[in-house]
Amino acid sequence: DIQMTQSPSSLSASVGDRITITCRASQSITKYLNWYQLKSGKAPKLLIYAASTLQSGVPSRFSGSGSGTEFTLTINSLQPEDFAAYYCQQTYGTLYTFGQGTKLDI
Amino acid sequence: QVQLVESGGGVVQSGRSLRLSCAASGFHFSTYGMHWVRQAPGKGLEWLAVIWFDGSMEYYADSVRGRFTISRDNSKNMVWLQMSSLTAEDTAVYYCVRAGCGGGRCSDLREYQREYWGQGSLVTVSS
Repeated sequence: DIQMTQSPSSLSASVGDRITITCRASQSITKYLNWYQLKSGKAPKLLIYAASTLQSGVPSRFSGSGSGTEFTLTINSLQPEDFAAYYCQQTYGTLYTFGQGTKLDI
Repeated sequence: QVQLVESGGGVVQSGRSLRLSCAASGFHFSTYGMHWVRQAPGKGLEWLAVIWFDGSMEYYADSVRGRFTISRDNSKNMVWLQMSSLTAEDTAVYYCVRAGCGGGRCSDLREYQREYWGQGSLVTVSS
């Protein structure tokens, strides 16, 4: 199975900051990488697919990059509604796996 | 519009079984793979299982293989997750997820934009 290692596990930031979350795969997954935002009581929201393509309706302050085994999610100019948990997920293997998550708070 | 409505959650005793249902509507159900994903309280997302668009293939996470079974009926636009030998570690919100394509790795990365999540169903396993 493909393992996903996400860092950091938690992050404190302020409105207006720029933050980066990293996800590393145990083997090459080319660009089969999704990023999700999770808020309490709500279904996960797909932010980015194919490592760097923004899902429709997602603000442009979110961006993704990487391929192979190293990926990053960047959020520019943090807004109050961005404080949530973020997860990467590989969809290359038959068994999809998530990273451990990053909790972003103020 | 696309809808996935999970049901069947609730409180169940440890060691017992429970079946979750997911009713799909608003799209051509028989052309999409379907997943189940869960989130335990205070924990991260955990992918559990997938079933191919035609039901021909099923795959499971190591943590549930042998205890959980995913199935579907394309004539009813339904997918199920049969869970057995439940323990407290299975307490979680369970999500039904439409895949971006028929199952497994999508041949076109753009297909992942079609992924869609239900609102989830809470399962609580009591000891």
